[in-house]
Amino acid sequence: SQQGEEDPQALSIQEGENATMNCSYKTSINNLQWYRQNSGRGLVHLILIRSNEREKHSGRLRVTLDTSKKSSSLLITASRAADTASYFCATASQGGSEKLVFGKGTKLTVNP
Amino acid sequence: DAGVIQSPRHEVTEMGQEVTLRCKPISGHNSLFWYRQTMMRGLELLIYFNNNVPIDDSGMPEDRFSAKMPNASFSTLKIQPSEPRDSAVYFCASSKRTGQRSGANVLTFGAGSRLTVL
Repeated sequence: SQQGEEDPQALSIQEGENATMNCSYKTSINNLQWYRQNSGRGLVHLILIRSNEREKHSGRLRVTLDTSKKSSSLLITASRAADTASYFCATASQGGSEKLVFGKGTKLTVNP
Repeated sequence: DAGVIQSPRHEVTEMGQEVTLRCKPISGHNSLFWYRQTMMRGLELLIYFNNNVPIDDSGMPEDRFSAKMPNASFSTLKIQPSEPRDSAVYFCASSKRTGQRSGANVLTFGAGSRLTVL
């Protein structure tokens, strides 16, 4: 069964705007990761946040984690057409398991 | 490094035929994962190996699916016999396990093998 569920399923914005995607999960986690997938390609790791962290930044990416609500958000600031892709959250359960369970993703379209 | 290499990139076959998908992980990575992606079910973990040993195959749909990792640089996913509902993109991913319980497992994915079963 899917652990993470992204919201919204699809998002269309104009270049320069910010894009926010949300992820909810069900069980206690060790860490949460965000991946990006361009059409017809494999997934690429973007950023990881551990269960004891609340916020993390990487370039134009900002990730937050609220373990009490079992949710995370990914913010892409000053979006570009090249950011058009699907974005997935993935969770690793507590206990040291290597299994990463992915949500169904948010399809982001950035219009020039 | 060339990254995770999968072959074939595309495969079209007829129902009942055997399909073999191949994966070469990144050198030095000791964990390997097979995922399947469909529109309906998203990304599903089929099986993963650690140091060439299968650790969890609970995601393998049924006995028609089998996976092997004979050495650290090669893995196969076999479907025999194939059925139309097996049509999907199959991804291989690898990672380097740190051995610590708190260690994070970041995956590097291959480009995928798109399978169409007619």
